[in-house]
Amino acid sequence: NAGVTQTPKFRVLKTGQSMTLLCAQDMNHEYMYWYRQDPGMGLRLIHYSVGEGTTAKGEVPDGYNVSRLKKQNFLLGLESAAPSQTSVYFCASSRDPGQGAEQYFGPGTRLTVT
Amino acid sequence: EDKVVQSPLSLVVHEGDTVTLNCSYEVTNFRSLLWYKQEKKAPTFLFMLTSSGIEKKSGRLSSILDKKELFSILNITATQTGDSAVYLCAVEAGYSSASKIIFGSGTRLSIRP
Repeated sequence: NAGVTQTPKFRVLKTGQSMTLLCAQDMNHEYMYWYRQDPGMGLRLIHYSVGEGTTAKGEVPDGYNVSRLKKQNFLLGLESAAPSQTSVYFCASSRDPGQGAEQYFGPGTRLTVT
Repeated sequence: EDKVVQSPLSLVVHEGDTVTLNCSYEVTNFRSLLWYKQEKKAPTFLFMLTSSGIEKKSGRLSSILDKKELFSILNITATQTGDSAVYLCAVEAGYSSASKIIFGSGTRLSIRP
């Protein structure tokens, strides 16, 4: 099993450009999450999904959109990138938290917006 | 507002020392508390705690939860340079149909040889 994978690993964007980050998991998990991590801020939840076709806002959703068309994939989109979105982005997946909330994380995507 | 606070923010010790990392929380409808270790990349799972007073152990690491005082500690004995990492505490809270996970800002642990 590959676990949770993310593409790309690194990306540099100019202000106003758009991009999509892809997260894939092969553990048949229902729940998937997108976090951003900034120095001294820990992990902050952007959006999450509790199943195929569903999405919900997290703590810091502004400027991002997500889609979960297939159970194994969770896409994070930036329509018009801003320097404030420079961060490391982590995707995670888990079983239903009612069955144990351990999350499995992808390796991260380092995004720089200039 | 739900929050998870970790202390200290950073810690530098010598190899062989014992360290204790703290995590306190204020959440509505606590479900579980989790500890993760983050080196250069993604966080990796260490422990999940749901019951007070029951210590979980894995080698030199151990953790315990106090649901009355709303905190958990993570102990590392006989530290090694490979223990250098950021340790994250996370709390799952809410109801099964709408639970959420809140992360603390982490404790950066550095072990000097």
